[in-house]
Amino acid sequence: DVKVTQSSRYLVKRTGEKVFLECVQDMDHENMFWYRQDPGLGLRLIYFSYDVKMKEKGDIPEGYSVSREKKERFSLILESASTNQTSMYLCASSPQGAYNEQFFGPGTRLTVL
Amino acid sequence: AQSVSQHNHHVILSEAASLELGCNYSYGGTVNLFWYVQYPGQHLQLLLKYFSGDPLVKGIKGFEAEFIKSKFSFNLRKPSVQWSDTAEYFCAVNPGYSSASKIIFGSGTRLSIRP
Repeated sequence: DVKVTQSSRYLVKRTGEKVFLECVQDMDHENMFWYRQDPGLGLRLIYFSYDVKMKEKGDIPEGYSVSREKKERFSLILESASTNQTSMYLCASSPQGAYNEQFFGPGTRLTVL
Repeated sequence: AQSVSQHNHHVILSEAASLELGCNYSYGGTVNLFWYVQYPGQHLQLLLKYFSGDPLVKGIKGFEAEFIKSKFSFNLRKPSVQWSDTAEYFCAVNPGYSSASKIIFGSGTRLSIRP
């Protein structure tokens, strides 16, 4: 069964902390994505990666960075968390090809106090 | 910039009613189209997709969608909804030039079904 896992379902951090969100997929997919999901705004792409050590900015990369050292793992880093980064973060993966669906993880609900 | 519009933010229906959720996109070239669903407490999953061929696409759980190229639309339909269809529905578009499977999501439509 296809599986994308995220390290935490719920996370509470303080303003200014460095935050790591981890995502692992077991499907040998080339592409991996990080989104944030906010009510009324849908899913907005933060960063994506189409190969190991390769990354591209999405629509809202400010305040975030990513790391992909291994094919199965894609990390999202908040260098200095701020309250406006309180959100649901979704990781997804997909095989190469524009017609392929993305498979999503369960999400991490991050609260920054 | 490409965009995806879902005009209905919240739809409330009674069981057995028919459903149509609107989706319009702005890209003029070849597109691949998706509908995803997020049931309460669950992760996003694919409902159906279109990339070529018959513009009427059938998905899981009795859903279907019709691609109308001239209207830049990909509306989702179901003839008779059930209480278990309560969920949030997202339309998504991948412009055909993107080989990295990057897709653009609409803002979502929350569907509430009265039992």
